[in-house]
Amino acid sequence: QITLKESGPTLVRPKQTLTLTCTFSGFSLRTSGVGVGWIRQPPGKALEWLALIYWDDERYSPSLKSRLTITKDTARNRVILTMTNMGPVDTATYYCAQTLESGPTVSSFHYWGQGTLVTVSS
Amino acid sequence: DIQMTQSPSTLSASVGDRVTITCRASQSISRWLAWYQQKPGKAPKVLIYKASTLESGVPSRFSGSGSGTEFSLTISSLQPDDFATYYCQQYYSYSTFGPGTKLEIK
Repeated sequence: QITLKESGPTLVRPKQTLTLTCTFSGFSLRTSGVGVGWIRQPPGKALEWLALIYWDDERYSPSLKSRLTITKDTARNRVILTMTNMGPVDTATYYCAQTLESGPTVSSFHYWGQGTLVTVSS
Repeated sequence: DIQMTQSPSTLSASVGDRVTITCRASQSISRWLAWYQQKPGKAPKVLIYKASTLESGVPSRFSGSGSGTEFSLTISSLQPDDFATYYCQQYYSYSTFGPGTKLEIK
């Protein structure tokens, strides 16, 4: 059974750095073609892809690349996303998801976590 | 960046209706397109990937078609559980989601 769960702060101050952890089970990032991505959704708005990590590669949204870092802790089955210089527009539910089918650069997403709401406010 | 548009933004329909949602890409994405269903307060659920491949366990009343820049998701006979918001996602050049189509009960 594949599961993913996001964890991290629910409230972040403006200009702070957000660190989110995705803890997963039922698969391994050592498997070829398997990755974990981060997607966010501001309240009432559409989904936005942020970043994706495979065993040997990372991909970032071009518009947010300068603010994002995605890493993995393979031993603990975790993927960590950091986003710097947070602002009110970054208020959103942040999801992590396992990749389904890899395209030329990124992937569709199969299993999703429940999401975690992060609010940016002073 | 590849931009995605969806039409309509809202669709009112009745149980048993056949409905189609359209997704357009600002440039060709071949067939690198997925469709998701999302219900309030829940994570998205993948329905279709590679434009027309039905994800395992998804009812056969859902189908996808298209290539290049124009794609569609069709539900052949709406069921009560289908009223939700639907998103398309291109994964040809990085990834972009469409703005969503809310399917409402008429």
